[in-house]
Order: sequence, then structure tokens, then C-alpha cells
Amino acid sequence: DSGVTQTPKHLITATGQRVTLRCSPRSGDLSVYWYQQSLDQGLQFLIQYYNGEERAKGNILERFSAQQFPDLHSELNLSSLELGDSALYFCASSVDVDSLKEKLFFGSGTQLSVL
Amino acid sequence: AQTVTQSQPEMSVQEAETVTLSCTYDTSENNYYLFWYKQPPSRQMILVIRQEAYKQQNATENRFSVNFQKAAKSFSLKISDSQLGDTAMYFCAFMKIWNTDKLIFGTGTRLQVFP
Repeated sequence: DSGVTQTPKHLITATGQRVTLRCSPRSGDLSVYWYQQSLDQGLQFLIQYYNGEERAKGNILERFSAQQFPDLHSELNLSSLELGDSALYFCASSVDVDSLKEKLFFGSGTQLSVL
Repeated sequence: AQTVTQSQPEMSVQEAETVTLSCTYDTSENNYYLFWYKQPPSRQMILVIRQEAYKQQNATENRFSVNFQKAAKSFSLKISDSQLGDTAMYFCAFMKIWNTDKLIFGTGTRLQVFP
């Protein structure tokens, strides 16, 4: 168990809908990362938050947004869903950024199926 | 831009035998990290081993070891005494030092360990 909790584990929805994925980082970790794993794109970095502030953006669509709350949990919001958004969404956390001892701990992921 | 290539989509090995998974990468950076992550059927991403590019000594973690060839930009994973529980997808990943948002994954190698 990595200590990173993601809910829900599975989510089935229809095109055009909006969903929210939740992530609770390991105790003490300030940084949260979101990754998308799909069959055609592989594992791709979406966005990173550090202590409530957006730190870095990767290949995140404009229909997607995220935030990190004061208690450090994070939510990834996906709207106007399309079939191609079906993927496994991972959250990862780490203690801080820019550390030579940086390690990422991954949650079990949320499997999103858009029908 | 950095790229990570895993040229073996699937590999198989008999229990107790040794198997080597290949990974090559392309970068103009001199300081970086390389990782091998394991993704079992449970879908969780588990860090197997990490190598700092500035270290010449190959990293070892119990039955897992790497052959890091910096000049050749090669980073292979050797699994000794393979166990059934090693059955999983294995991802090679690259990260620039000071840049945790740039964790770039390869496409993965599916390893099947047979009894």
C-alpha cells in the first residue's frame, strides 16, 4: 500500500458528462501529480500541485481542471467527456519538489469508462 | 525533448530463471534519474528501482538490478530468480533532476512468469 488513496476505483459515465476524481496523498506529502494512462497515449503527465498551488502543467486538456485543497487532497475534474477520455487516471504524491531524494508514490488509479 | 523507448512489448520467463528488460532513452541532459516501475494486475504503479545518472555504480534492489550505460543511453532491468509475483507490466521512466513534473514513461513491457 503506497498510502495514496484514490476514489472512486471505477467510474462509468456517458459522453458529455462531468466527473470528479479524488486523491488523498500520503501523510506529509505536499505535492500531488495527476497522470493519465490510456492504450494509445501510454502514461502521460497531466498536472502537478504543490501545497495548494499549481506547479506544472503537462498534456492536460482545457476541459480538464484540478485543484488541491488546504488539507492537501486533490480533485481532478473532467468535463464534456468524450469517448477518448476513457483511461486509467493516476494520482501520485511526494514530499516536496526539487529534491534529490524525490520519489513518487502512486495510488491505485481510477478507471474511467466513457460510453 | 526526452523520449523513452521499450522495444519489447512482451517477454516471458520461467520461474527461477533470469530475464532482462530493455530500455533506451534520448536526452541532452547530463543529470537525471531513471526508474523502473512495475504495474501488476492490481494496476498500482510500484517503484522497483532508481538510478541517478551521476552514479556510475549500477543500482540493485534484492533480485532486481540495472545495467546503466550512460554513453549508450541504455537502462536495462535484470530480474533474477523470477517469481510468479513478478508478472506485471514494467515501465521504464526518465526524469530530469529538479523537474519531477517531467517523469516520462516508456510504453511498457508485459512480463509473464511461468511456473
